[in-house]
Amino acid sequence: KNEVEQSPQNLTAQEGEFITINCSYSVGISALHWLQQHPGGGIVSLFMLSSGKKKHGRLIATINIQEKHSSLHITASHPRDSAVYICAVRDFGNEKLTFGTGTRLTIIP
Amino acid sequence: GAGVSQSPSNKVTEKGKDVELRCDPISGHTALYWYRQSLGQGLEFLIYFQGNSAPDKSGLPSDRFSAERTGGSVSTLTIQRTQQEDSAVYLCASSPIGMRFYEQYFGPGTRLTVT
Repeated sequence: KNEVEQSPQNLTAQEGEFITINCSYSVGISALHWLQQHPGGGIVSLFMLSSGKKKHGRLIATINIQEKHSSLHITASHPRDSAVYICAVRDFGNEKLTFGTGTRLTIIP
Repeated sequence: GAGVSQSPSNKVTEKGKDVELRCDPISGHTALYWYRQSLGQGLEFLIYFQGNSAPDKSGLPSDRFSAERTGGSVSTLTIQRTQQEDSAVYLCASSPIGMRFYEQYFGPGTRLTVT
């Protein structure tokens, strides 16, 4: 069973700061997903990646397969980025996700 | 277009009663997933459908839990003889083919409270 750990659990930062959230996992995977859960509960899929780096607007996700580690970066953070960010991994040959416990991000104006 | 919808949005039930939770995926999406998010805990996978078949039911926590999907569209998650530990938000997601190729789209969830 894959173990997924995220750090930090909670992060508070000032508007404009560069944010990094980390995710590590224990067993090789076919892909890693980053999700965003808004305070109202809605979940949005941000990235799905199996190698390298992806960028969407101010968000950047990277993965190092050898080190079993991924990072989610937010540049020029804004209060609307306040949410819980969840890392999830998908093992080879199936559609099942194993989730981390999430990182609660609060951006102060 | 319309996203994933779930009903009811909230459900309060007495311990021992059966409940049915409904998910309407995005039209044309063949892959459908059920997840559970308990208070203070992370998300956990319950079951995955491809069309009307469920190739992976490994996350269903007990035989009180079952799910079906009809017409490759609507899915129902049924919990029999509910227990207090079943209280959670139940989330449904769909994907055009499956997560190997496409991201998944989540519904708003059903908050289940067992009293």
